[in-house]
Amino acid sequence: KAGVTQTPRYLIKTRGQQVTLSCSPISGHRSVSWYQQTPGQGLQFLFEYFSETQRNKGNFPGRFSGRQFSNSRSEMNVSTLELGDSALYLCASTEAGADTQYFGPGTRLTVL
Amino acid sequence: GESVGLHLPTLSVQEGDNSIINCAYSNSASDYFIWYKQESGKGPQFIIDIRSNMDKRQGQRVTVLLNKTVKHLSLQIAATQPGDSAVYFCADNTGGGNKLTFGTGTQLKVEL
Repeated sequence: KAGVTQTPRYLIKTRGQQVTLSCSPISGHRSVSWYQQTPGQGLQFLFEYFSETQRNKGNFPGRFSGRQFSNSRSEMNVSTLELGDSALYLCASTEAGADTQYFGPGTRLTVL
Repeated sequence: GESVGLHLPTLSVQEGDNSIINCAYSNSASDYFIWYKQESGKGPQFIIDIRSNMDKRQGQRVTVLLNKTVKHLSLQIAATQPGDSAVYFCADNTGGGNKLTFGTGTQLKVEL
């Protein structure tokens, strides 16, 4: 099976702009989780979607949002970008009923 | 708040030696633990996981040990190879469901 794919791999935006990142889970996996990775804060959970519903949410401001489509693909959106949003955004997919999360390669977002 | 921490930021080992990477967790309610390996420029790669009803689990060249009494988790890598050089993260499901809480990571360096 193909692994988790994320697009785009790299993005450069300026402050105030918004961005949309995409994640395609492993075929058959219905849960998608998003994480932010920065040198200072490490890996932090953003949110999880299962069957098009947000099932869990981390401690991030409302500028961070996401959604999941009927084919389990997920997108996350960050509005009004700030310099501190520069990070590697990772998504992970999980098979229904299982615990193991498999990560994609991430999207490197740079906010100038 | 609850956290998962690692004892050492960097571990250097000789090729062929065994490596032991340690992790402490604080939430006694955590019932699932997982180790990831992250190479530069890549997403975290699943290594091995363990549930709280187990003390030990073995994979290919890796063993995870769980000591619930002292809330300690360790990853043992046998016959460490240059390809094992990476940052290793432990994580647990403190947040519930698929919300993983990650440690800060240990950089493993394999010396030839």
